[in-house]
Amino acid sequence: AQSVTQLDSQVPVFEEAPVELRCNYSSSVSVYLFWYVQYPNQGLQLLLKYLSGSTLVKGINGFEAEFNKSQTSFHLRKPSVHISDTAEYFCAVRLTGGGNKLTFGTGTQLKVEL
Amino acid sequence: EAGVAQSPRYKIIEKRQSVAFWCNPISGHATLYWYQQILGQGPKLLIQFQNNGVVDDSQLPKDRFSAERLKGVDSTLKIQPAKLEDSAVYLCASSLARGSYEQYFGPGTRLTVT
Repeated sequence: AQSVTQLDSQVPVFEEAPVELRCNYSSSVSVYLFWYVQYPNQGLQLLLKYLSGSTLVKGINGFEAEFNKSQTSFHLRKPSVHISDTAEYFCAVRLTGGGNKLTFGTGTQLKVEL
Repeated sequence: EAGVAQSPRYKIIEKRQSVAFWCNPISGHATLYWYQQILGQGPKLLIQFQNNGVVDDSQLPKDRFSAERLKGVDSTLKIQPAKLEDSAVYLCASSLARGSYEQYFGPGTRLTVT
């Protein structure tokens, strides 16, 4: 079975600083990878996804992520954060073959401070 | 385009009572999902429908949880009787088809069982 690990439960960062949110996954077969963002009292919104091809994926709101197969990682990055980026970020995986069940990590709370 | 609608947004009940949640997916979306998100954890898939048929309910506690999607459009998730550990946010999501890569999430229903 596949699993996702987000080691950092909280990441505080100052506005305009860069940030990296870490995600590692475990799976015996190939997977698709996703990052979702959840603002307070809202549902999840897709930030970006890796399906195949270039390992550097760009998403909405200036976020990007890099798929590293050898390290089974899919870290999320933004070169300069804004107050409005304060939210919970979830990494998720889905098997490439059959079905579209998402397995989520436990989430990372990004808190952007002035 | 209207998003995924859920009601109620908040519900407080006592243990052993019953509760029902309603979800209206995006128009035309054939696949509907119910997730349970316990505080501090990522969403966990409870049940997945393809039109009005169940695709995956392997993580649904069937002794107390039930769900239906009678006309292949909106769906109801019921808990009877509720336990304290059922306190969570219940998220509904939909996607255009079973193989679609993006799931669109509703705002969720926050259930508190006292």
